[in-house]
Amino acid sequence: EPEVTQTPSHQVTQMGQEVILRCVPISNHLYFYWYRQILGQKVEFLVSFYNNEISEKSEIFDDQFSVERPDGSNFTLKIRSTKLEDSAMYFCASSAELAGGSLSYEQYFGPGTRLTVT
Amino acid sequence: KNQVEQSPQSLIILEGKNCTLQCNYTVSPFSNLRWYKQDTGRGPVSLTIMTFSENTKSNGRYTATLDADTKQSSLHITASQLSDSASYICVVSAGGGTSYGKLTFGQGTILTVHP
Repeated sequence: EPEVTQTPSHQVTQMGQEVILRCVPISNHLYFYWYRQILGQKVEFLVSFYNNEISEKSEIFDDQFSVERPDGSNFTLKIRSTKLEDSAMYFCASSAELAGGSLSYEQYFGPGTRLTVT
Repeated sequence: KNQVEQSPQSLIILEGKNCTLQCNYTVSPFSNLRWYKQDTGRGPVSLTIMTFSENTKSNGRYTATLDADTKQSSLHITASQLSDSASYICVVSAGGGTSYGKLTFGQGTILTVHP
């Protein structure tokens, strides 16, 4: 069964450094998302991406964050200058486009990347 | 502001027993409600998705209900197994505008099944 994959599984970085989290969505999916979950807290929406541009973003997704689909398979989240409070689990998700062009409700999540900022 | 609240925060049951988890939401305009299972350190996995017109949906031993009038949902688990130990998250999607699947998550109910 196809699945969303994410690398690395765990990333440790120093405050102020740039990190890139990578995701490979399910191959025929067209909608992509990033979420984060701070330890012990709710999962929070960060950004959605469709047709090579951001569809929607939350107030968390400020100028230090960016997303990119550099090729036909990868979807990346870049954090330019990490802060301690960026430490969290970051989940990538993808969903398909249904016949007729509407968005499938089903979102498939990857296993997550645990980011630790020291 | 869109919100999803779940109860109880945690629940311990014996293997083989049934349990019911609750969810209340204030999300507008409502599109659909999902229940996810999240094992520790893993991504959420979808159990059920219900739209406005659906009031019950089953997936094996999981049965979800939705009352769109009172904005409440429940997830009933029958004949629990040790592998059901996980966090169960109620998630609501707002519809309309440019909300391409933007999801609002509850804090989850941590279920522990003991032998």
